[in-house]
Amino acid sequence: DTGVSQDPRHKITKRGQNVTFRCDPISEHNRLYWYRQTLGQGPEFLTYFQNEAQLEKSRLLSDRFSAERPKGSFSTLEIQRTEQGDSAMYLCASSSPETGELAGGLINYEQYFGPGTRLTVT
Amino acid sequence: AQKITQTQPGMFVQEKEAVTLDCTYDTSDPSYGLFWYKQPSSGEMIFLIYQGSYDQQNATEGRYSLNFQKARKSANLVISASQLGDSAMYFCAMRGSGNTGKLIFGQGTTLQVKP
Repeated sequence: DTGVSQDPRHKITKRGQNVTFRCDPISEHNRLYWYRQTLGQGPEFLTYFQNEAQLEKSRLLSDRFSAERPKGSFSTLEIQRTEQGDSAMYLCASSSPETGELAGGLINYEQYFGPGTRLTVT
Repeated sequence: AQKITQTQPGMFVQEKEAVTLDCTYDTSDPSYGLFWYKQPSSGEMIFLIYQGSYDQQNATEGRYSLNFQKARKSANLVISASQLGDSAMYFCAMRGSGNTGKLIFGQGTTLQVKP
């Protein structure tokens, strides 16, 4: 059973360039999340897909960021015209309600994280 | 707004001893879920334990237990019999509002286990 994979693991780019990251979730998971983590901080939610539909985007996701999940399988996160402030670890996670537990009426969607893509903008 | 607070930037513990990592939360949702994740230096987030707001008993998973005090809005992680491999960053997280299941994380606590 393979976990969540992300590619590339590291990316160094010059300011102003475009970058694209890929996430392959666990195959039976229909929910996919992108988070951003800066040094010394906890991850912050960026966006959420259920199958191929992007159902929520954080205000952190500026117009330079776009995410897709064609056919409800892998997902891509693109950053256009990168800025130094974009330097961070970008984490992808997936989950499935079928693996959740009912706890007081709240389904526990355990999220499985990938190894992350570390972006450095110079 | 929902918020997770971890007030211990760094903690030390002697190998084989127990350690408690603090977490307080704020939410107006009547139902919520609380999570703890471990992040080693490799960067991957590893799920440790989950507590639902209506769970009557504190969650336990092997050497991990969650000391859930609902009235105080705290969900502290207790690691018993610490091992050198427990050295890592630990994050407390809450399931956010709505049906997406997104997580809201605290700032984390760095744990170092001394031999």
